[in-house]
Amino acid sequence: QQKVQQSPESLIVPEGAMTSLNCTFSDSASQYFAWYRQHSGKAPKALMSIFSNGEKEEGRFTIHLNKASLHFSLHIRDSQPSDSALYLCAVSTSSGSWQLIFGSGTQLTVMP
Amino acid sequence: EAAVTQSPRNKVAVTGGKVTLSCNQTNNHNNMYWYRQDTGHGLRLIHYSYGAGSTEKGDIPDGYKASRPSQENFSLILELATPSQTSVYFCASGDINWGEQNTLYFGAGTRLSVL
Repeated sequence: QQKVQQSPESLIVPEGAMTSLNCTFSDSASQYFAWYRQHSGKAPKALMSIFSNGEKEEGRFTIHLNKASLHFSLHIRDSQPSDSALYLCAVSTSSGSWQLIFGSGTQLTVMP
Repeated sequence: EAAVTQSPRNKVAVTGGKVTLSCNQTNNHNNMYWYRQDTGHGLRLIHYSYGAGSTEKGDIPDGYKASRPSQENFSLILELATPSQTSVYFCASGDINWGEQNTLYFGAGTRLSVL
């Protein structure tokens, strides 16, 4: 069964800093990897996703995926107070049924 | 923007009572999901559905039933509610095609307290 773990549990960074969030998974056959962001009291919302090994950049956000090491990460350049939220990584199952398995989240606080 | 609506938004129930959480989506998505969110556990999958009439067990189905009477509606049923089911419940919908459009769209959540 797919296991997804995130680190760190919480993170405080100053405005303008580079933020790095990590996610490890257990099933090397997984095909889809995503990050969701959840502001306090709100619904989770998809941020970015990636299928193949490598890097994908969208604005200030970059995903790195390394399937061999069972690791993917989210990097936020020039972090802003509005980026403060719970960040959830998600990995698809590799069995016949399609499910997204979420990590427990990293609570990010960006201090102005 | 895809729309998923949950009701009620807040619910207080008594132990042993029956609770029904409802979810409606207007996106015409085939797949719908019920998750619960607790501090330190992220989102955990309870039940999901591939379409009207189908329900499948997720990772933590014990104590929950699901019903998908139509493409638009997906309900989560707690026949005998217990205090351990106090949580925030999220419904989500999405179309899965193994392409780029695998995004799940979440409702605003239902906060359930079982006393």
